[in-house]
Order: sequence, then C-alpha cells, then structure tokens
Amino acid sequence: GEDVEQSLFLSVREGDSSVINCTYTDSSSTYLYWYKQEPGAGLQLLTYIFSNMDMKQDQRLTVLLNKKDKHLSLRIADTQTGDSAIYFCAAGGNNNDMRFGAGTRLTVKP
Amino acid sequence: DSGVTQTPKHLITATGQRVTLRCSPRSGDLSVYWYQQSLDQGLQFLIQYYNGEERAKGNILERFSAQQFPDLHSELNLSSLELGDSALYFCASSPEGQGAGNIQYFGAGTRLSVL
Repeated sequence: GEDVEQSLFLSVREGDSSVINCTYTDSSSTYLYWYKQEPGAGLQLLTYIFSNMDMKQDQRLTVLLNKKDKHLSLRIADTQTGDSAIYFCAAGGNNNDMRFGAGTRLTVKP
Repeated sequence: DSGVTQTPKHLITATGQRVTLRCSPRSGDLSVYWYQQSLDQGLQFLIQYYNGEERAKGNILERFSAQQFPDLHSELNLSSLELGDSALYFCASSPEGQGAGNIQYFGAGTRLSVL
C-alpha cells in the first residue's frame, strides 16, 4: 500500500503565504493532487501535478514536487480568510486507488 | 458544483437500523467510489465500482455493502448501525476505473448520525 502524510494544522495571517506539505511513500505515484474541503462541503479538486513535473502554478496556487524525496507542497500566495479549510494531499498511480492524507486544517487570521 | 449528487444530505437514525445512501455520478463517469470521513479516522476509502462491477475494496465493514446499477448510480447500504458509524459519507466519480490522471470528483456528502 501507500501512505500519504501531512501535518494536521497550519495557521497564518491574512496576506501571508501558506505552505502545506505532504509526503508519500509509493514512488510509482503518477499523479499528485490537492483537494480543498470547506466546512460542511465535499472535497473540491484544487490542482494536480504529473510526477514528471517539478512545479505547477495556477493563479495564487503553486505546487512543488520533489520526486526524489517524495515530497509535495502547496503554496497559497496572499492567503485570504476564504482560504480557511482543510487541504488534502492525494497520490495515485496507474494500478492503485487514490490515497489521501489526513488533511491539513488551514486557519487564516485577520 | 462537481456534478456528483448525493442524497440525502443528512440522515438521523438509531442503532441497529439500516440505511441506504445514494449517489449519482457525473455524466459519463463510469467509476463510483465511496469514502467515510470521521473525526478520528480521517478520510477512509471504502469501495469502488466500475461500470457495474466491484473494482477495489478498502476498509469496508461486512455490515456495509454497495452496488452500482445499470444507469451507473450507486447505493451504499449500512446495516446494524452502531454509534461509531456516525460520519460523513462521500461519493466520488471518475471517468475510468484506473489509470494515470483518473481524477475523482466528490459529492457534497451525506452526514449520518446514529443515536
């Protein structure tokens, strides 16, 4: 099987950058994903990156992948109070189901 | 809106009872996945169906069962309910059964409360 780990909590001030980290164990993971879950809602796909990429940027979101260390990060620039949510890292490959981390609860303070 | 529909949104029942949760996947998606999210266990994969057949099984209890119908909607049946079954149950759908880039799209979930 494959494990995905991430820290449980992160607190930042509005306007600062947030960096949420994730590590995974299965080196055959082909795609890595970030999902956002707001209170009372389902998981919303934010972005994903192919394992042959190092970085992907999408507006305020930057995903960095260090394949050698099996480390993934999500950077949110100019974090807003509306970014407060739980962020899930997930890894998947050709032959396995998607494995999710436990989620990082991001709190943005005004 | 992900395009995945789950009903009901909330369900309150008693221990020992049986409930059915329903999921309609995104149009064209062949796979349906069920997940359980509880405070102490996080997001747990339960089971996957692809085009009507079971494709993968996770941490699903024997008291739980699922099926996918010819119109591709899916139902998750939970029986002999216990207090510990109280959780959010999510359904997700994806275009294929497996493969790189087979992104899962999630519904809003059904919140089950067992009293």
